[in-house]
Amino acid sequence: DAGVIQSPRHEVTEMGQEVTLRCKPISGHDYLFWYRQTMMRGLELLIYFNNNVPIDDSGMPEDRFSAKMPNASFSTLKIQPSEPRDSAVYFCASYRRGLAGETQYFGPGTRLLVL
Amino acid sequence: GNSVTQMEGPVTLSEEAFLTINCTYTATGYPSLFWYVQYPGEGLQLLLKATKADDKGSNKGFEATYRKETTSFHLEKGSVQVSDSAVYFCALVSGGSNYKLTFGKGTLLTVNP
Repeated sequence: DAGVIQSPRHEVTEMGQEVTLRCKPISGHDYLFWYRQTMMRGLELLIYFNNNVPIDDSGMPEDRFSAKMPNASFSTLKIQPSEPRDSAVYFCASYRRGLAGETQYFGPGTRLLVL
Repeated sequence: GNSVTQMEGPVTLSEEAFLTINCTYTATGYPSLFWYVQYPGEGLQLLLKATKADDKGSNKGFEATYRKETTSFHLEKGSVQVSDSAVYFCALVSGGSNYKLTFGKGTLLTVNP
């Protein structure tokens, strides 16, 4: 299995620009999570989906952030407009509900720098 | 609610030294416990896990035992290598949301040759 795939791996943009991050979960996984990691705040859960439906978006910091999952194999996280404080590493993770102890598998992350 | 507390780093050791990273938790019900590792520039990888009290998770020479009486899941390795340098996260899932991870803040380990 290829694991969770994220693109781009690195993104540098200017304040005010739109940024779109992409994620392909592991095939057969029915949950998808978006996280943000910064030195100050550590790992934060932004939003998660179950069977392509957003379940909890309480971690999304502002209306500038939006996420979609149009099908089981693709999700996007969009920031519009971007701000310097959005600079972070964004991780996508997927999970298949099953036996106790099954857990999430993380992608390699997208390193975002907003200038 | 659920929470995970792990020792703050950074931790710096010499190669072949003994490693302990403490982790304690608060959770509803009977949580499953995990250690994740994040190597520089990479995402988080599952290192080991334990799903019930007294279980011992192990992988790559690392071990952790689920201690319900002390609500702990300390990570240990008898002889660390330079390649073990990474950030280590303790995490749990509990209750009905058995897919939603609660993470500790992470501990940076640096192993010097």
